[in-house]
Amino acid sequence: EIVLTQSPGTLSLSPGERATLSCRASQSVSSSYLAWYQQKPGQAPRLLIYGASSRATGIPDRFSGSGSGTDFTLTISRLEPEDFAVYSCQQYGSSPKTFGQGTTVEIK
Amino acid sequence: EVQLLESGGDLVQPGGSLRLSCAASGFTFSSYAMSWVRQAPGKGLEWVSAISGGGGSTYYADSVKGRFTISRDNSKDTLYLQVNSLRAEDTAVYYCAKGSYSGNYHYLDYWGQGTLITVSS
Repeated sequence: EIVLTQSPGTLSLSPGERATLSCRASQSVSSSYLAWYQQKPGQAPRLLIYGASSRATGIPDRFSGSGSGTDFTLTISRLEPEDFAVYSCQQYGSSPKTFGQGTTVEIK
Repeated sequence: EVQLLESGGDLVQPGGSLRLSCAASGFTFSSYAMSWVRQAPGKGLEWVSAISGGGGSTYYADSVKGRFTISRDNSKDTLYLQVNSLRAEDTAVYYCAKGSYSGNYHYLDYWGQGTLITVSS
C-alpha cells in the first residue's frame, strides 16, 4: 500500500498570500496518477487537479499541481477567501487508492 | 449536470448490516467506474471500494475486504455498497464518487453529498 504523507498539517496564511502544500508518497506513484481535492466544512470533496498537474474543469488557474515519483506539490498562487479549506491528495495508480491525511489552509 | 445521490445510511448496532445506494444521473453511468469513499468524524478521506464500468472488476480496501460488497445496476444507474459485520470504526460519512473513466486507474471527478453510517449500541 502506498502511504501518502501531507505537510504541513495546518497552514495559516492571509488572503493574497501563496500557499504551498506537499504530498509525499512512500513509493513511486505510477504515471503521476496523483489527484488533489478540496473540501470545505459540511461539503463533499471537489476535484482540483488530476495527473499531478492537470486542472479539473472550472478550477481557477491560481491552483497548480506539480511533481512526479514520490514528491508532489499543490500551489495556490494567491489565496482567495473561498480557498480556505482542507486539501487532500490521492494516488490512483495502484490499489488501494490511498489518500493523504489532509492539509488545512486556515486564515491567519 | 452530473448528480449523485446517496441513501441508506442509518444508526446500526455493532455486527449489523446496511445497504447503501447511490442514484446517478447526468452521464452515461455504465461508461464509468464508481467508488465509495468514507470519512470518519473529524478525520481524513479513506478510499473504500471501486467497481469498473461494466461491473466485472471490483476493488476493496483491506479494512473492509470480506465485509463490504460493491455492486452496480447499470439498467437503473445505481451503485450499491452492502456493508456487513459493522464495527464502531466503520462510523463515517460514505461518499459515492464517479470515476474519470471505466477502468481501474481513475480519479474521482464528481462526488455525492454523502450518507452517514453510525455504528453504536
